[in-house]
Amino acid sequence: GAVVSQHPSRVICKSGTSVKIECRSLDFQATTMFWYRQFPKQSLMLMATSNEGSKATYEQGVEKDKFLINHASLTLSTLTVTSAHPEDSSFYICSAILAGGRGTQYFGPGTRLTVL
Amino acid sequence: GENVEQHPSTLSVQEGDSAVIKCTYSDSASNYFPWYKQELGKRPQLIIDIRSNVGEKKDQRIAVTLNKTAKHFSLHITETQPEDSAVYFCAAGAGSYQLTFGKGTKLSVIP
Repeated sequence: GAVVSQHPSRVICKSGTSVKIECRSLDFQATTMFWYRQFPKQSLMLMATSNEGSKATYEQGVEKDKFLINHASLTLSTLTVTSAHPEDSSFYICSAILAGGRGTQYFGPGTRLTVL
Repeated sequence: GENVEQHPSTLSVQEGDSAVIKCTYSDSASNYFPWYKQELGKRPQLIIDIRSNVGEKKDQRIAVTLNKTAKHFSLHITETQPEDSAVYFCAAGAGSYQLTFGKGTKLSVIP
């Protein structure tokens, strides 16, 4: 149980284009999902907290207009990187918390974004 | 906000030996301390967690200790095996379940 999927697993795009990443909780409902960014050999940096039916809460320094988050249902959150640039290239990982659970975060497999 | 420091950044041990990774946190409101294992290119996997109402928790070869007064917690892996080789992250959080992660420890178990 508590499986989280992400799609796509990797994406290569041209500079200036937008990319959408989906995060799904497959076998449970998640009231809260988190989006992280991870650079090579570095830690997980929280970008934003996504709550179903409400606006996402962004961490300091994260541009909300550049990283659009939508959490339209209890099983799906999306992250859209708008007007992507090479410096946005990174590993993006989502996590989800089981509704009514102990607060354990279950992570998705991540999405490798490369912006040319 | 919370600040989590993790040491060491790299750790090499002989197979069968024990490995210890230590973390400190700054926010006394933190009450949840999970440890994640991440293999190269894969998702972080929860291996053990502890809440502030207990001082120690054990699961087979893995144990975590928590000292709330000193604001530090440690991961102990006994009888290490090559498949334990990975990057381990500690984290601290409270309330809304937001987690602040340490920078990670790359553990190498030498056969």
